[in-house]
Amino acid sequence: AQSVTQLGSHVSVSEGALVLLRCNYSSSVPPYLFWYVQYPNQGLQLLLKYTSAATLVKGINGFEAEFKKSETSFHLTKPSAHMSDAAEYFCAVSIQGAQKLVFGQGTRLTINP
Amino acid sequence: DAGVTQSPTHLIKTRGQQVTLRCSPISGHKSVSWYQQVLGQGPQFIFQYYEKEERGRGNFPDRFSARQFPNYSSELNVNALLLGDSALYLCASSDWRQGKSRTEAFFGQGTRLTVV
Repeated sequence: AQSVTQLGSHVSVSEGALVLLRCNYSSSVPPYLFWYVQYPNQGLQLLLKYTSAATLVKGINGFEAEFKKSETSFHLTKPSAHMSDAAEYFCAVSIQGAQKLVFGQGTRLTINP
Repeated sequence: DAGVTQSPTHLIKTRGQQVTLRCSPISGHKSVSWYQQVLGQGPQFIFQYYEKEERGRGNFPDRFSARQFPNYSSELNVNALLLGDSALYLCASSDWRQGKSRTEAFFGQGTRLTVV
């Protein structure tokens, strides 16, 4: 079975500061990993995905994530936070060939001016 | 191109009632999945349908059912509503098919269901 743990339900950073959102996964088979963003009263938008190619994945809006098998982690980073980054972020895992996504509890990102 | 569309956007129902939520996938997508997102939590997988057949079911009671139509649109039905069914219900479509990997799920805006 697959599972995801997001460390920190709420992260607050200043505008222009580094954003780091943590995600650890558990999977008995090689996983596919995703980061989604959710703005208030909206659905989920894919930021980036890891599907066993390059371990450093670049996504939209300047975000990137690194797959570290030894640490079972897939942390999301952005060098410089923007006010528009304020949202809820979800890490998710699936396995090859399956459509089911298993989500973490989410991390709410707040950007301080 | 139209994305995944869900209707209605908001719904208020009374305990014990039944509700039907609708989803139209992106054109060309044959796989539709449903998720429940309770306030403050991540989405939970309910069902996946592909080519009108159920391909996966999450840990939800039999009060939850779904179906997929020949045009690949889908309905989620919930019977005997409980207060705890209040949530955002998300539909996702993809071009998944058996044996194909690396498919991305595209989500709709969701239906906000409130049970009173």
